[in-house]
Amino acid sequence: QQQVKQSPQSLIVQKGGISIINCAYENTAFDYFPWYQQFPGKGPALLIAIRPDVSEKKEGRFTISFNKSAKQFSLHIMDSQPGDSATYFCAASSMMDSSYKLIFGSGTRLLVRP
Amino acid sequence: GAVVSQHPSRVICKSGTSVKIECRSLDFQATTMFWYRQFPKKSLMLMATSNEGSKATYEQGVEKDKFLINHASLTLSTLTVTSAHPEDSSFYICSARRDSNYNEQFFGPGTRLTVL
Repeated sequence: QQQVKQSPQSLIVQKGGISIINCAYENTAFDYFPWYQQFPGKGPALLIAIRPDVSEKKEGRFTISFNKSAKQFSLHIMDSQPGDSATYFCAASSMMDSSYKLIFGSGTRLLVRP
Repeated sequence: GAVVSQHPSRVICKSGTSVKIECRSLDFQATTMFWYRQFPKKSLMLMATSNEGSKATYEQGVEKDKFLINHASLTLSTLTVTSAHPEDSSFYICSARRDSNYNEQFFGPGTRLTVL
């Protein structure tokens, strides 16, 4: 019930295209859903995050769509660029959990071809 | 804002020696910090949760006597790998939770440990 399932494992997109990464969860107590971007040899960087009281959040070319009833959320990268090539992790946590642990998905390796 | 540093970024040591890794939140206070280990092309594996002024909480299967964690201030946590062996070679990453209504966690750049 603590798992966050992420798909696809890898994704190849042409420059200018839309990259879509999906995550699903079971624990209905989760109330915070961040996305992290990680380049090789670097630590993950917080990209964008959403709370379940909204269905969509947009920051620049990055959008999170959230479907509470389906217990799914996704990251959309519009106008994908070669510089977006990285590994993306979704995560979830519950403020009711005083440990503040983030439960991570397995990651998606994105390659944006020029 | 929300910058987390780690030192060293890379360390090579001989088997049997101890290595200390520092994690600092540079522009915010972090009551809670986390230590992760990441294997190549894998997700982040939580090792332990570090709380300022109290003992760390270790995940199942993580040896607390091997991975010593100290969180002496609101901006500094340290991870000491004691009597390191080649199987401890990995990428170690810390994160710091910024106290707020959200569980915002910011990661350090990571430390690559190689044990010969």
